[in-house]
Amino acid sequence: AQSVTQLGSHVSVSEGALVLLRCNYSSSVPPYLFWYVQYPNQGLQLLLKYTSAATLVKGINGFEAEFKKSETSFHLTKPSAHMSDAAEYFCAVGSTGRRALTFGSGTRLQVQP
Amino acid sequence: NAGVTQTPKFQVLKTGQSMTLQCAQDMNHNSMYWYRQDPGMGLRLIYYSASEGTTDKGEVPNGYNVSRLNKREFSLRLESAAPSQTSVYFCATSRDNQPQHFGDGTRLSIL
Repeated sequence: AQSVTQLGSHVSVSEGALVLLRCNYSSSVPPYLFWYVQYPNQGLQLLLKYTSAATLVKGINGFEAEFKKSETSFHLTKPSAHMSDAAEYFCAVGSTGRRALTFGSGTRLQVQP
Repeated sequence: NAGVTQTPKFQVLKTGQSMTLQCAQDMNHNSMYWYRQDPGMGLRLIYYSASEGTTDKGEVPNGYNVSRLNKREFSLRLESAAPSQTSVYFCATSRDNQPQHFGDGTRLSIL
């Protein structure tokens, strides 16, 4: 069985501040991990993915995430928030042989000027 | 998202009515999925299709049926709509374990 927990349904940061969105997962097999972003009235767009290569994964728009097996975490970070980063972010877990992803409940990021 | 096209974008139904949500992809992906998105619950898988001619139930299949018409198209049908099916529906595609690509969604309200 797989599950994803995203801590904090809403996160607010100031423009230029560090963004940290938390994701913890559970999986009985080595996981694939993903972060997606959703802008209002749009579908999900892939930010980055971990598939058992490097543990620090760099994605689009300056985001990165670090896979920590000992903590079962895959937190998303960005050094300096921009107004355009305001959106909802979803963490998801998949695995070999299982075609569908399990999504977390999402974290809405607000960026204050 | 030019790769995955969903129609319609918006729909209002009365309880008991039926309708079909359409999804078409031009990415040549084998796998297609239907998710529903509800506030505070993330995305939940309704049905998926690993290849043309095959479909499997996901986490919340009750009240829905699907058809994988060909490699490009995967439709979702509500036979007798209920208010609990008010949601945003997303179609997605993938090639095996590659990340899923999403359409822009169908916003469905059932009165």
